[in-house]
Amino acid sequence: EAQVTQNPRYLITVTGKKLTVTCSQNMNHEYMSWYRQDPGLGLRQIYYSMNVEVTDKGDVPEGYKVSRKEKRNFPLILESPSPNQTSLYFCASRRSSYNSPLHFGNGTRLTVT
Amino acid sequence: GQNIDQPTEMTATEGAIVQINCTYQTSGFNGLFWYQQHAGEAPTFLSYNVLDGLEEKGRFSSFLSRSKGYSYLLLKELQMKDSASYLCAELNDYKLSFGAGTTVTVRA
Repeated sequence: EAQVTQNPRYLITVTGKKLTVTCSQNMNHEYMSWYRQDPGLGLRQIYYSMNVEVTDKGDVPEGYKVSRKEKRNFPLILESPSPNQTSLYFCASRRSSYNSPLHFGNGTRLTVT
Repeated sequence: GQNIDQPTEMTATEGAIVQINCTYQTSGFNGLFWYQQHAGEAPTFLSYNVLDGLEEKGRFSSFLSRSKGYSYLLLKELQMKDSASYLCAELNDYKLSFGAGTTVTVRA
């Protein structure tokens, strides 16, 4: 089954404790992206990757890192999480064509206390 | 983001029709997506419009007017399962930006 898999689904952590949210897709998509979703603000892009070893900042990249060492994986790293990073996070992928629809993972609800 | 405006909430009765409007900036326009998102779940793709006019897919249709910077999603024969958030997203200068979403509640 074609899918984007992200883990964990729920994560509660404390300020400053490094964490990684994993994302993997099995559709051989070139493009992958991370979004955060907050009430009233919609989906905002954190980072994206056009292909292996190519990453770029989205609209809200501060406090986040990503890597794209393999085509299928695109982990999101929070080196020192803070409470304002409490949010619902989605990983998404699509083919390289700009008008291809995004396929989203099931989301990771992160709480930073 | 990117001046994408859509209503926050709409309520309709089962079996009725609801129209969700979306306005966006016109310069740099490359296309308009609609996604559906049930509470606590991932957004799923509904439609993509790049040319003017109406595109119909079963009970759901999407309309685009490029000159007016306007799109709408039309949901017909509403069912309880259509209760969800509907996200308008503009592809502008090849960058995708989402509106805040419209929460549709379908009542029996």
